[in-house]
Amino acid sequence: EPEVTQTPSHQVTQMGQEVILRCVPISNHLYFYWYRQILGQKVEFLVSFYNNEISEKSEIFDDQFSVERPDGSNFTLKIRSTKLEDSAMYFCASSVPRALHFGNGTRLTVT
Amino acid sequence: KQEVTQIPAALSVPEGENLVLNCSFTDSAIYNLQWFRQDPGKGLTSLLLIQSSQREQTSGRLNASLDKSSGRSTLYIAASQPGDSATYLCAGFNDYKLSFGAGTTVTVRA
Repeated sequence: EPEVTQTPSHQVTQMGQEVILRCVPISNHLYFYWYRQILGQKVEFLVSFYNNEISEKSEIFDDQFSVERPDGSNFTLKIRSTKLEDSAMYFCASSVPRALHFGNGTRLTVT
Repeated sequence: KQEVTQIPAALSVPEGENLVLNCSFTDSAIYNLQWFRQDPGKGLTSLLLIQSSQREQTSGRLNASLDKSSGRSTLYIAASQPGDSATYLCAGFNDYKLSFGAGTTVTVRA
């Protein structure tokens, strides 16, 4: 069964550094999403992306965050200047439409 | 804004007992509702998806119901096993996104 692939599985970075989280959605899916889950908390919506533009974003998704689909297969989340509170599990999802399939996540640790 | 609530937050049962997990949502204009399983430190595994036009979905020992008018969904797990121990999340889709509840953490005692 096709699946959403996320890399790396774990990333450690220093506060203030830029990070790029990568995702390969399922090939025929058209809608892409990023979610995050801080340890012990709810899964929170960050952003949805369709037709090469953001469909919706949450209040968490401020100017420090950006998304991009640089080619036909990858979908990336960039955090420009990481803060300690960005430490979380980040999940990518894709759908065609509305039935979301999630990747296994990238655990981001900001030190 | 969609708010999803799951009660109870945690549940411990002996092996073989049936599980009933509850989910409520504030905005009944959901397109669908999904139930997920999450093991500690792991990703989200989709268990069942119920379209807004459906009343229930079944997969093996799992059955999920949806009542849009009352804003509720229930996940039933029959004859629980220790391997069912995990956190179960429900999430409603509307306004271009899924909104998640905080989950019910289930422990099945052998």
